[in-house]
Amino acid sequence: EVHLVESGGGLVKPGGSLRLSCAASGFTFRNAWMSWVRQAPGKGLEWVGRIKREIEGRATDYAAPVKGRFTISREDSKSTVYLQMNSLNSEDTAVYYCASGVGVTDFDYWGLGTLVTVSS
Amino acid sequence: QSALTQPRSVSGSPGQSVAISCTGTSSDVGAYDYVSWYQHHPGKAPKLIIYDVNKRPSGIPDRFSGSKSGNTASLTISGLQAEDESDYYCSSYAGSYTFWLFGGGTKLTVL
Repeated sequence: EVHLVESGGGLVKPGGSLRLSCAASGFTFRNAWMSWVRQAPGKGLEWVGRIKREIEGRATDYAAPVKGRFTISREDSKSTVYLQMNSLNSEDTAVYYCASGVGVTDFDYWGLGTLVTVSS
Repeated sequence: QSALTQPRSVSGSPGQSVAISCTGTSSDVGAYDYVSWYQHHPGKAPKLIIYDVNKRPSGIPDRFSGSKSGNTASLTISGLQAEDESDYYCSSYAGSYTFWLFGGGTKLTVL
């Protein structure tokens, strides 16, 4: 059974940084594209970015609102994907979900999410 | 305002059918057959229920079906059951610059 467990969320001041982690199990992690999706309070889902496999150079893509501020990385030996978030602002307040693409789409399986609150 | 437009809420009685629409543009929903639907019970992980417009992952009952016409995709749930009460989100591929768009979500109430 696939499990994705996000961690690292919390309260951070505007301009601050935070690193989220997503630990995966139940599938061959190195074969998966891993994505981050967020949901601001009362809003819909928003794609944040993704990282491809090591054999694809761990290539990354990002949504325009986070490009240059957020960085996705992966550690296949730990079956973990990370989201480094810098220069945070109030619009980044959201529940952040990681999702795995192991078969049919980029978002085959999802975690429960972790809440990030950006506030002074 | 989300990139893909969904009705905020729909409702139906047990045994009935309901449809949830997901409207995009000719650059996303209308351009690619990469529309997916997710069921999200609050406090649980979102669950993929339809992908590539009308395909169901293993384990998803055939009461769930998807379709697309032009720039609008639809999720139809037939034979409504109490456990179908949930939030539903659509997503669409939008090309190699925007990548993925999601809808604002629809709350399904089973009366």
